[in-house]
Amino acid sequence: SQTIHQWPATLVQPVGSPLSLECTVEGTSNPNLYWYRQAAGRGLQLLFYSVGIGQISSEVPQNLSASRPQDRQFILSSKKLLLSDSGFYLCAWSTRGPYRTGELFFGEGSRLTVL
Amino acid sequence: DAKTTQPTSMDCAEGRAANLPCNHSTISGNEYVYWYRQIHSQGPQYIIHGLKNNETNEMASLIITEDRKSSTLILPHATLRDTAVYYCIVRGTSGTYKYIFGTGTRLKVLA
Repeated sequence: SQTIHQWPATLVQPVGSPLSLECTVEGTSNPNLYWYRQAAGRGLQLLFYSVGIGQISSEVPQNLSASRPQDRQFILSSKKLLLSDSGFYLCAWSTRGPYRTGELFFGEGSRLTVL
Repeated sequence: DAKTTQPTSMDCAEGRAANLPCNHSTISGNEYVYWYRQIHSQGPQYIIHGLKNNETNEMASLIITEDRKSSTLILPHATLRDTAVYYCIVRGTSGTYKYIFGTGTRLKVLA
């Protein structure tokens, strides 16, 4: 069965520090991968999505970046965090290719607090 | 991708049916309607999806109007554990593969 792992689960970082969140998917190949952010009390904002290795689409201009070095690995990074980067970050995957349910599967999330 | 609009919040008595509406008036012919829910501090959970026919699974029923411009998610017997934010999104079968979530409906099931 397919699983998605996301880490770290919680982190507290000072303003200006770097960030690296990692997500890996197991049990499937060639997934579409996504990073979402949810600010406190708000809805889900799509940050990045990827349809293949090295292929990253950005939805919102910001000081974050994403990379996909391997088929089932998706990394969210920042060189210098801002206070506004605080939030709940969610990685997700869906099937690619022949259309099936199109269901989106989410990880457990990473809660980032920037102080 | 079509946009969706949902009421901000709703209350429902425990044991009663919860009917959550969604408007997607600009939906195009190849776009499916998906419903997800998010319980506090967890990742969203898939509930159901459909194209034009009504759908039912073990969690809920999805009623899509004939013109496909709106839909209703029905939780037939709401329990306290159904308290969550419910998101309605539309997505096509090809193209950019984006899932755009709105602000959702905060459903509170009352004892």
